[in-house]
Amino acid sequence: QSVLTQPPSVSGAPGQRVTISCTGSSSNIGARYDVHWYQQLPGTAPKLLIYGNANRPSGVPDRFSGSKSDTSASLAITGLQAEDEADYYCQSYDSSLSGWVFGGGTKLTVL
Amino acid sequence: QVQLVESGGGLVNPGGSLRLSCAASGFTFSDYYMSWIRQAPGKGLEWVSYISNIGNTMYYADSVRGRFTISRDNAKNSLFLQMDSLRAEDTAVYYCARARYSSGYYDDYWGQGTLVTVSS
Repeated sequence: QSVLTQPPSVSGAPGQRVTISCTGSSSNIGARYDVHWYQQLPGTAPKLLIYGNANRPSGVPDRFSGSKSDTSASLAITGLQAEDEADYYCQSYDSSLSGWVFGGGTKLTVL
Repeated sequence: QVQLVESGGGLVNPGGSLRLSCAASGFTFSDYYMSWIRQAPGKGLEWVSYISNIGNTMYYADSVRGRFTISRDNAKNSLFLQMDSLRAEDTAVYYCARARYSSGYYDDYWGQGTLVTVSS
């Protein structure tokens, strides 16, 4: 059971918009620690997608966006493409655990 | 460009030890915190440890504290993870990553990972 809760899977057709939620608590996201998102394509290492809740590293398309509110965060992907099919993870800091935590991951399927 | 290359993984008996290495290039290694993150087969990501840029501050996940030791050699641009008293549940791909800070640390570059298998 992960401290940060993500849906196990989401899906969408090419061109559509999907969102992935990341629900935490008052000891992590709600304590104003930033949320970061990673994309892991099949068989590869994770890649930073969003940092500091809503910032994109250089090279990440603006189809990807992040937001945060209260004890949860969301990753939105617009104009879905086949190459977006991957696992997505959120990450934050948890003061109760005194450590960094990941969500359980969400598998995105492009129909 | 930033490159991180892990090595040292392999098969080890329960209770045994293993030392992972990560060779860094393409950036000023001594300016950055570094981390280890692992991923058990078919499972999600689990943060393992962070080390400060000069190596004087270390953080560990509860699951490895007292058994794993993170260290670095800034002269050789290298990061290490000494893993002792290994258990079956430590079986995973271990990634080294470069850490950045934004109200909490995150990892902006990752290596390709090295597989550690703990089994008799």
